[in-house]
Amino acid sequence: DIQMTQSPSSMSASLGDTVTINCLASQDIGNYLSWYQQKPGKSPKLMIYGATNLEDGVPSRFSGSRSGSDYSLTINSLGYDDEGIYHCHQYYEYPNTFGAGTKLELK
Amino acid sequence: QIQLVQSGPELKKPGESVKISCKASGYTFTDYAMHWVKQAPGKGLKWMGWINTYTGKPTYADDFKGRFVFSLEASASTANLQISNLKNEDTATYFCARRSGAFDYWGQGVMVTVSS
Repeated sequence: DIQMTQSPSSMSASLGDTVTINCLASQDIGNYLSWYQQKPGKSPKLMIYGATNLEDGVPSRFSGSRSGSDYSLTINSLGYDDEGIYHCHQYYEYPNTFGAGTKLELK
Repeated sequence: QIQLVQSGPELKKPGESVKISCKASGYTFTDYAMHWVKQAPGKGLKWMGWINTYTGKPTYADDFKGRFVFSLEASASTANLQISNLKNEDTATYFCARRSGAFDYWGQGVMVTVSS
């Protein structure tokens, strides 16, 4: 199975900051990588698909990038609505696998 | 608008069975596969498998072979997850998710609590 190593597990940032969350794939997954935001008691919400594509309706403050097997989610101009847990997900092959999640809190 | 609406929370005893439903609306049900994802309390997401909504063929992740069954009521645009012989470790929220490349729409989740 493909392992997705996500870091950091948690982070705290201030309003207006720029933050980056990373996922390292244990083998090649091409661009079959998505990012989800999950708020407490809610279902995950698709933010980025195909490693770099912004889902409709997601603010342009969010962006995804790839460098080899390293994938990143960057959030610019952090706002209180960005708090939550972020999950990466590879859908290159079965079984699909997720990162362990990153809890983002605002100071 | 596209929606996946799941059934309500369940409280079960060990050894019992549970059936969770996921009703799709706003799109052609058979055009997209339906996936199932487990989230234990305070834990991350775990992919359980998927069902081909056109053929009805299910595919299970290794950890979900045996007690877990995916099924369809295609005429009702509904996907179901049945778990038999429930164990304490089945306590979790179960999500259905439509796959369009990534998982673009999710159900609201069903909390299943297994407790004696």
